[in-house]
Amino acid sequence: QVQLVQSGAEVKKPGASVKLSCKASGYSFTSYYICWVRQAPGQGLEWMGVIVPSAGSTSYAQNFRGRVTMTRDTSTSTVYMELSGLTSEDTAVYYCARNSDSGYDFWGQGTLVTVSS
Amino acid sequence: QSALTQPRSVSGSPGQSVTISCTGTSSDVGSYNYVSWYQQHPGRAPKLLIYDVSKRPSGVPDRFSGSKSGNTASLTISGLQAEDEADYYCCSYAGSYTYVFGTGTKVTVL
Repeated sequence: QVQLVQSGAEVKKPGASVKLSCKASGYSFTSYYICWVRQAPGQGLEWMGVIVPSAGSTSYAQNFRGRVTMTRDTSTSTVYMELSGLTSEDTAVYYCARNSDSGYDFWGQGTLVTVSS
Repeated sequence: QSALTQPRSVSGSPGQSVTISCTGTSSDVGSYNYVSWYQQHPGRAPKLLIYDVSKRPSGVPDRFSGSKSGNTASLTISGLQAEDEADYYCCSYAGSYTYVFGTGTKVTVL
């Protein structure tokens, strides 16, 4: 069965960077894009960007350009999302999701990132 | 990119129908038939309900339907059930391999 398993919760200080992982299984890793979406406490979903696992190419939301980097390791079927220059406004649950022709059909369990001094 | 606009909340009694609007611009909703809808229960990851404006993935009840007119997409829940109480988000392709979500709507079953 398709699964996206994300890394555990993180606590970071302002100005630091965080790198999250999302390990895919149960399907051909290079056949589907993976996107990242975040959700601040009590707030809505925010699309951050997408990575094409087969090529490593990326597209980022304007709000995150210059601060976010998405990479992948095809040997372990894992995608990574690194966000730098963290502020308290980056405190959120970060989700990865598989982007099929039918929308975002499978989601990871989410990773809570807390930014606090 | 600004978030798509959704009503903050809608409510209905069991068995009734509710419709959630999702208003974008001619650069996103109005230009592409790539609108999807997601249901999110508290503490859970979102779940895909509708894709390509009106298509339902297998396993999603036909009580959920989607449509679009101009810059506004809509999700209708017919025959409202208690388990439909959740947050709902639209999402649209916005060009240049980017997407944008809606502001989210809380559905309350009275």
